[in-house]
Amino acid sequence: AQTVTQSQPEMSVQEAETVTLSCTYDTSESDYYLFWYKQPPSRQMILVIRQEAYKQQNATENRFSVNFQKAAKSFSLKISDSQLGDAAMYFCAYRSASSNTGKLIFGQGTTLQVKP
Amino acid sequence: DTGVSQDPRHKITKRGQNVTFRCDPISEHNRLYWYRQTLGQGPEFLTYFQNEAQLEKSRLLSDRFSAERPKGSFSTLEIQRTEQGDSAMYLCASSRFGTVSYEQYFGPGTRLTVT
Repeated sequence: AQTVTQSQPEMSVQEAETVTLSCTYDTSESDYYLFWYKQPPSRQMILVIRQEAYKQQNATENRFSVNFQKAAKSFSLKISDSQLGDAAMYFCAYRSASSNTGKLIFGQGTTLQVKP
Repeated sequence: DTGVSQDPRHKITKRGQNVTFRCDPISEHNRLYWYRQTLGQGPEFLTYFQNEAQLEKSRLLSDRFSAERPKGSFSTLEIQRTEQGDSAMYLCASSRFGTVSYEQYFGPGTRLTVT
């Protein structure tokens, strides 16, 4: 069974600085998708960025980028030029490419605090 | 298209009572998921529908839980004889078959408190 681990329960960053959130996963599959979701306080979860395992190039979405290390089964999220609106809980998630359901397996989450 | 909606947003019930939650997915999405999220944890998969067919249920979904998606539109999740351990946020998500990574769009959730 696949597992996702986020070892940083809480992180903080100064506004305009850069922060990296860590995620490791365990799987025996070679084809899968990885995601970072953001869950602001009392608001719904939204997708931040996705990575296809067959792609070597790291995904980037504006200020958000990932460092995908397939051999190490590591998938970290870098947030550049942090903004107050980035404060939220961030979840790393895994989806098997062979799954008929597409269900997501989530990590425990990292709460990000952004200091003004 | 206003996104995934869930009703109610909050529900307080006494132990032993039955509760029902509703999820309205994005209109063209044929895939629908229910997850449960306890405080400070990541969501855990409960069940999955493709159109009206319930194709997978997690072992977390005990016999007290039942979900339906009549006509492949909205979905309901019912919990019978609620227990304090059922207190959690129940999240609904939907996606469209055929998209590259079946990106899931989440609703705001229903927070259940069992007293």
